[in-house]
Amino acid sequence: GDSVTQMEGPVTLSEEAFLTINCTYTATGYPSLFWYVQYPGEGLQLLLKATKADDKGSNKGFEATYRKETTSFHLEKGSVQVSDSAVYFCALRVNTGFQKLVFGTGTRLLVSP
Amino acid sequence: DTAVSQTPKYLVTQMGNDKSIKCEQNLGHDTMYWYKQDSKKFLKIMFSYNNKELIINETVPNRFSPKSPDKAHLNLHINSLELGDSAVYFCASSQAGSSYNEQFFGPGTRLTVL
Repeated sequence: GDSVTQMEGPVTLSEEAFLTINCTYTATGYPSLFWYVQYPGEGLQLLLKATKADDKGSNKGFEATYRKETTSFHLEKGSVQVSDSAVYFCALRVNTGFQKLVFGTGTRLLVSP
Repeated sequence: DTAVSQTPKYLVTQMGNDKSIKCEQNLGHDTMYWYKQDSKKFLKIMFSYNNKELIINETVPNRFSPKSPDKAHLNLHINSLELGDSAVYFCASSQAGSSYNEQFFGPGTRLTVL
């Protein structure tokens, strides 16, 4: 079945450090890929998305590139801030039938000043 | 101006009770969802309705019964609550057929069963 695998957290970084959160997927067909972010005590917000191979999604300094050859969608940011501390979820949506999202287990990011 | 709202935000109850969680969206979407997030933050879809019709029903106990009185509302009723039902429940909505079918999430309802 369709699935998403994320690196285990927590990821602990100092402010201005470089961030990578790995995400790989297994899917039938050609999925769309998403990163969602959940700040403490809040619901999920869409961070960025990509719908086809080699697409790059970007938002708020975060980037992820849809790599079909490695079935990956790693999240990166060049310089993290304390306000980026949150849980990040990688997700896929198979674009056939009724389009449900399949989430990874989430990766907690902790950024210290 | 809240896009997807849920009530209540917190719900503490005893085992065996019946409770409901309400969800409303003012985005004009035609598809709504319920997700369960467990204590390890794992997020899994439970149900989805499109135009008030059930379209996704994952492996969820019969004690859980969603109801969609109209496209803007999707409520979740839970009978005979169990300890394992303790979780955060998120409602979401989207517009089927849109280019990204982006799902917008509510703030969540934290259910604690004692």
